[in-house]
Formats: sequence, structure tokens, C-alpha cells
Amino acid sequence: EVQLVESGGGLVKPGGSLRLSCAASGFTFSQSTVYWVRQAPGRGLEWVSSISGRSIYKYYADSVTGRFTVSRDNAQNSLYLHMNSLRADDTAIYYCAREYCSHHVCYPALDSWGQGTLVTVSS
Amino acid sequence: QSVLTQPPSASGTPGRNVTISCSGSDSDIGSKTVNWYRQLPGTTPKLVIYSTNQRPSGVPDRFSGSKSGTSASLAISGLQSEDEADYFCASWDDSLNGPVFGGGTKLTVL
Repeated sequence: EVQLVESGGGLVKPGGSLRLSCAASGFTFSQSTVYWVRQAPGRGLEWVSSISGRSIYKYYADSVTGRFTVSRDNAQNSLYLHMNSLRADDTAIYYCAREYCSHHVCYPALDSWGQGTLVTVSS
Repeated sequence: QSVLTQPPSASGTPGRNVTISCSGSDSDIGSKTVNWYRQLPGTTPKLVIYSTNQRPSGVPDRFSGSKSGTSASLAISGLQSEDEADYFCASWDDSLNGPVFGGGTKLTVL
């Protein structure tokens, strides 16, 4: 069974830092492109960042570029999001999600999501 | 403000059909495929349509997707009470190298 479990969320002051983690199991993590997607309370989904299987490609939304850094440790089946210079509008549930692949073809869609971890930025 | 535009709400009665729309631009829906996600209250999003009109394994054929130009639609036939959820459309933007999402449509089964 595919599982993604996020951790590391919490309350942080504006300007502070936080590191989110996502532990993956039930699939070949090193071959999967994985994403961070966030959802502010009562709002829609917003893509934050993505990273390819061997970390060759890393992409960021404009709203977090220069402040957030995505990384992964395939030996530990883990995904990370390092967040610096946090702002109030970064407050959201942060989900990690896996790119959907079927019959050796991968699609720009997300088929497995973690339960999310809440980040609250407030003084 | 979301990149893709969805109506904030939709409704239907059990057994009837409902369609949810999603509007974008030439750089996303107009040139890329569309995905749809369902988010039941208090749960995480679930993929129900990918590549505009394909269903992942386990998604009933009551769900179907289509697109025309820069707009896409999710159709649900034979509405059931458990279909009451938020539905999000998504596409891809090459300039971002990432997905773009709609703001979500809250579907109420009356």
C-alpha cells in the first residue's frame, strides 16, 4: 500500500524557518517525481514545489522561490521542504504527493497524497 | 486567486447528473491535459480524472471528463450522497514547470 506521511508542521513566527518531512513507503520512491502542494484554511490547492526521482529537476512556485528548498533522500525514502523567511500567507496544510504512473507511463497528475501537516505562521 | 476558474458551488439531487466547469487559458487547459480531484470533508484530495478523460483504477464510470478549447468539464452521472465533496480541476503550465489548480467547486447533493 502506498503511504505518504508528512511531519514537521507547527506554529512559527513571521520570518522564521521550518523543515517539513514526508516519509514514503509502498512504492519505488527513487523512481518517482514527488510534489509539495499546500492548502490554506478553507481555500483551494496551490502547487509549491516538485523534485524528480534523482533530484535532477527541482521546480518552485513563484510565491516561494528563494525562500523554500526541496530535497530528498532516496536511501531513507524521504522528501523534505526547507522553508525560510516564512510569512503569514504561507499558513496552510502542506501535502506531499506522488506523480501518477501507470504501465510505465507517467502523467502530470497526483495519485497519492499524504494526510498533510499544518504550518501556521503567526506572531 | 487561483489560476483556473471554477464556480464556487454546484448542486444536484440523487440519481441526477451534474457538470462542473473549469476555465483556463491557452497556456494551460488550451494546450495541456486536465485532471480532477475530489476532496471529501476533512480528507485529502483524491484523483478521479487524469489526462482530461481517463479514470484511475477504482474510480466508477459515473465520473467522466472532457475539454473544449480553454475550458474543461467534470460530469458526474447518477449522483450519490457520497459524491458531496469539493472538486478541483488542475492542468499544467510549462512556464512554471508545475501544475495549476482551480479554486474548487463545492458539490452539494440535495
